[in-house]
Amino acid sequence: ETGVTQSPTHLIKTRGQQVTLRCSSQSGHNTVSWYQQALGQGPQFIFQYYREEENGRGNFPPRFSGLQFPNYSSELNVNALELDDSALYLCASSSKQGVEETQYFGPGTRLLVL
Amino acid sequence: AQSVTQPDIHITVSEGASLELRCNYSYGATPYLFWYVQSPGQGLQLLLKYFSGDTLVQGIKGFEAEFKRSQSSFNLRKPSVHWSDAAEYFCAVGAAGYSTLTFGKGTMLLVSP
Repeated sequence: ETGVTQSPTHLIKTRGQQVTLRCSSQSGHNTVSWYQQALGQGPQFIFQYYREEENGRGNFPPRFSGLQFPNYSSELNVNALELDDSALYLCASSSKQGVEETQYFGPGTRLLVL
Repeated sequence: AQSVTQPDIHITVSEGASLELRCNYSYGATPYLFWYVQSPGQGLQLLLKYFSGDTLVQGIKGFEAEFKRSQSSFNLRKPSVHWSDAAEYFCAVGAAGYSTLTFGKGTMLLVSP
């Protein structure tokens, strides 16, 4: 059974650019959640995708958007990058089969915006 | 709104000594509670979880946690710490029917020889 994988591991962008981060969910999981972890902070919820639809969103602006594909993998897109977008972006997969949902995290993508 | 407080930013424990990391949550309904561990530059690894039932839950690596509803707490414990336990520990709260996990700011555990 493969775990959650993310790509790339590291990324450097300049302010104003756009970035796409990718996540492959754990085998058997149908739900992907994205979190932003700034330095020295706990992860903050960006949004969740379930069956290719957005299923909840945190306090992030619309320039943060996402997709989920039929194989349950997911992308996080960030437009018009700002310096404060520098962070570790974590993807978590889970299975919505019943109410007891456990999220399993990938290794993250570290984004640096210059 | 949900919130999680981890009062200790850093804790230093001698190798072989016992450990308790504190977590307090605020949530109106029955919470789902989690502890995750993060090594430097890594993602989060699930240590243990509580949904319902027995309030003392066992996790991986010899960790356990106890849910105390009256104190809104879910403290993490380990009887004997190993140097490899040095990492950052995050407590998180979720709930049935909600997609988000709300995390605390984390507690950095340092293990001294």
